[in-house]
Amino acid sequence: DTEVTQTPKHLVMGMTNKKSLKCEQHMGHRAMYWYKQKAKKPPELMFVYSYEKLSINESVPSRFSPECPNSSLLNLHLHALQPEDSALYLCASSLGQNNEQFFGPGTRLTVL
Amino acid sequence: GENVEQHPSTLSVQEGDSAVIKCTYSDSASNYFPWYKQELGKRPQLIIDIRSNVGEKKDQRIAVTLNKTAKHFSLHITETQPEDSAVYFCAASISGNTPLVFGKGTRLSVIA
Repeated sequence: DTEVTQTPKHLVMGMTNKKSLKCEQHMGHRAMYWYKQKAKKPPELMFVYSYEKLSINESVPSRFSPECPNSSLLNLHLHALQPEDSALYLCASSLGQNNEQFFGPGTRLTVL
Repeated sequence: GENVEQHPSTLSVQEGDSAVIKCTYSDSASNYFPWYKQELGKRPQLIIDIRSNVGEKKDQRIAVTLNKTAKHFSLHITETQPEDSAVYFCAASISGNTPLVFGKGTRLSVIA
């Protein structure tokens, strides 16, 4: 399996909802990432997990909470989001942090 | 920290012509430089990358050149085709535990 998968593909949520985004890879990669991408902008790094431990948190608001249950899975828990959080959320993985990153298809999130 | 500048922001070429996109980086310790292509509504996909121990790399119609002294690297696409139309992102990273820093992207349009 040479792909990163993400679910759901689309998500619409209200500002009081709690939801989770899921990401999975079975390539044996030890680094996993969450990015946020707004229209016509580059991916913006949110979190990096290395060997299942959070290694980078780019000052992301606490309404976004990442979790890495095992080496193949990465979750992003969402709570009390704002409309400006609407974006494409991309997961990526790589063998190490200085290797090619493989991106998942993304979850398009809309916060009402 | 690392800063990556990318130019131009938009580029239109006639089918069959060449396209060149340029990036500069600020941290001389950066040693990994990938290029990603992102079609509308799709995930970013790596098209070519280069490490600092190499000056040029080619893969069919795509080539990347790196000038470490000047701290810039360029993407060259020859014999462009309509399916090359997409947004292209350059990125840079320093070996070790630093993630990719992306340029702002170039929207390439290939006109048939």
